[in-house]
Amino acid sequence: DAKTTQPNSMESNEEEPVHLPCNHSTISGTDYIHWYRQLPSQGPEYVIHGLTSNVNNRMASLAIAEDRKSSTLILHRATLRDAAVYYCILRKSSNTGKLIFGQGTTLQVKP
Amino acid sequence: NAGVMQNPRHLVRRRGQEARLRCSPMKGHSHVYWYRQLPEEGLKFMVYLQKENIIDESGMPKERFSAEFPKEGPSILRIQQVVRGDSAAYFCASLHWFSSEAFFGQGTRLTVV
Repeated sequence: DAKTTQPNSMESNEEEPVHLPCNHSTISGTDYIHWYRQLPSQGPEYVIHGLTSNVNNRMASLAIAEDRKSSTLILHRATLRDAAVYYCILRKSSNTGKLIFGQGTTLQVKP
Repeated sequence: NAGVMQNPRHLVRRRGQEARLRCSPMKGHSHVYWYRQLPEEGLKFMVYLQKENIIDESGMPKERFSAEFPKEGPSILRIQQVVRGDSAAYFCASLHWFSSEAFFGQGTRLTVV
């Protein structure tokens, strides 16, 4: 399974945008990039996923580098409820195969 | 449509007892994953199941652990002869066969005393 690398932690101020990076230099052509987050004492929650093109949904945006060796999850306006561990995961297809979680990035949001 | 339901939410077992963790997937979902999360650590994949079929059990310990997802009823993760090291939060997730989004339950927190 291809590996992802994320910073251990990041800080943000409330109401400001947050850019969470993820490196995946060994990504294969069929790997989808998925993002999940885990709030304290809860199960993980799907955020967004993509293959090659940038993606937007109501929660976030996903910017994927042209060579696909890195991606960035963008929270447009961080709120205190966005404080969580964010996981960048490569998955062999969009809808099958296991999700392998790394250590993720712990995001702290300051009021 | 209720979310993924896991029960019990908290389970205390003495060393040597059996633990049964149940996961009811969302309606219409035919795939289930089980994960274990030790305190202050990330989620570790255990097993991936389809109804009546184990797709991938590469993360399951070779002994004492088993999982099933019968045609009817919830998925069950069974841990026999529990030891203190089994104390962890166990999460299950379900997804529809054509969906990209896995939905996770709130987890079962197992404590072995």
